[in-house]
Amino acid sequence: KAGVTQTPRYLIKTRGQQVTLSCSPISGHRSVSWYQQTPGQGLQFLFEYFSETQRNKGNFPGRFSGRQFSNSRSEMNVSTLELGDSALYLCASSRGAPDEKLFFGSGTQLSVL
Amino acid sequence: AQSVTQLGSHVSVSEGALVLLRCNYSSSVPPYLFWYVQYPNQGLQLLLKYTSAATLVKGINGFEAEFKKSETSFHLTKPSAHMSDAAEYFCAVTLKAAGNKLTFGGGTRVLVKP
Repeated sequence: KAGVTQTPRYLIKTRGQQVTLSCSPISGHRSVSWYQQTPGQGLQFLFEYFSETQRNKGNFPGRFSGRQFSNSRSEMNVSTLELGDSALYLCASSRGAPDEKLFFGSGTQLSVL
Repeated sequence: AQSVTQLGSHVSVSEGALVLLRCNYSSSVPPYLFWYVQYPNQGLQLLLKYTSAATLVKGINGFEAEFKKSETSFHLTKPSAHMSDAAEYFCAVTLKAAGNKLTFGGGTRVLVKP
């Protein structure tokens, strides 16, 4: 059974640009959630999609957005990049119940110069 | 809103010694609690979870944790540390109504000395 796949693995952008990150969940999983990991702020929840609908949202500005497709694959977009957006972005999938384990991908390391 | 506090950002243990990682939570309703481990350059992997069944939870790799409501704690232990336990450990909480929105603690990095 394939795990959660995130692409690309590394990304370098400059301030003001926009970026799209991709996440392919485990087959059969309908929930995809996104987390930002930084040394200073730790792991912070961005948003969760379940069956193509945003089910939960964290406290991030509107520059951060996402979507989920009918095959459960998800994309996350960050517009007008800032230096502080440099982070490891982790995607996790599950069947959707809150007491279930999340399966995490290896993440996309984004560097904003 | 729920929150998690992990005491100690770094812990150093000798191989074969007890591993004890502390986690305290704050929640107005019964929570679901998790411990995840992150190895370098990898995502997170679930060690164990508490979901209102048995208060003593056994997980993978010999780890276990005990849910203590009176102390609002969910400390993680392993009787005998192995070199492969060197990693960062995260305690996390969510609520029944919160879906997969996990709130994580700051993490504890474990160093295992030979």
